[in-house]
Amino acid sequence: DTAVSQTPKYLVTQMGNDKSIKCEQNLGHDTMYWYKQDSKKFLKIMFSYNNKELIINETVPNRFSPKSPDKAHLNLHINSLELGDSAVYFCASSQDLTAAGNTIYFGEGSWLTVV
Amino acid sequence: AQSVTQPDIHITVSEGASLELRCNYSYGATPYLFWYVQSPGQGLQLLLKYFSGDTLVQGIKGFEAEFKRSQSSFNLRKPSVHWSDAAEYFCAVGSAGRRALTFGSGTRLQVQP
Repeated sequence: DTAVSQTPKYLVTQMGNDKSIKCEQNLGHDTMYWYKQDSKKFLKIMFSYNNKELIINETVPNRFSPKSPDKAHLNLHINSLELGDSAVYFCASSQDLTAAGNTIYFGEGSWLTVV
Repeated sequence: AQSVTQPDIHITVSEGASLELRCNYSYGATPYLFWYVQSPGQGLQLLLKYFSGDTLVQGIKGFEAEFKRSQSSFNLRKPSVHWSDAAEYFCAVGSAGRRALTFGSGTRLQVQP
């Protein structure tokens, strides 16, 4: 059983389209995250949710909108896709908000290519 | 603000040789330190973590890391590298005040036969 699963794994789409990436965790964790990994492998936090409440919203364009229907799911919607959005997007989860004291478990990533 | 530096972008070692990957952090208080590994096309897997106590921590796959406060370092080591260790390695730091990990830029490890 995959602890943090995200779909799709690969996504190729045209500029201007709207797309979504779904994420689910079966670990019973309270906190979920979206990280972006750019072409240079740099990982940066985008959002985090705790019990469906938005906690972290880094300087991400408002074309990116996370949605958490329940604490086991955190989906990422991206509107009006741009070339620069091409990256690997990782969903992750941890027991609670205290990232310092808890391990963050990552999904396998979603490779988004905008053409 | 906390930050993590991995000075080596790319390292190549021979199979069976020892390995040390460097990680330096910047943070005012006691950090919480992690090493993750990312195999090609895969997600990140936790190798080990340091929160407190013994400064030498053991992880999975035969890896260990040592926290040195005086040098602000948390270097990852393995005495004998296997070909399957070829991957990207990320050091990360967390803190009580910040609710997400800050990652280094990664070190790509290649293993020669």
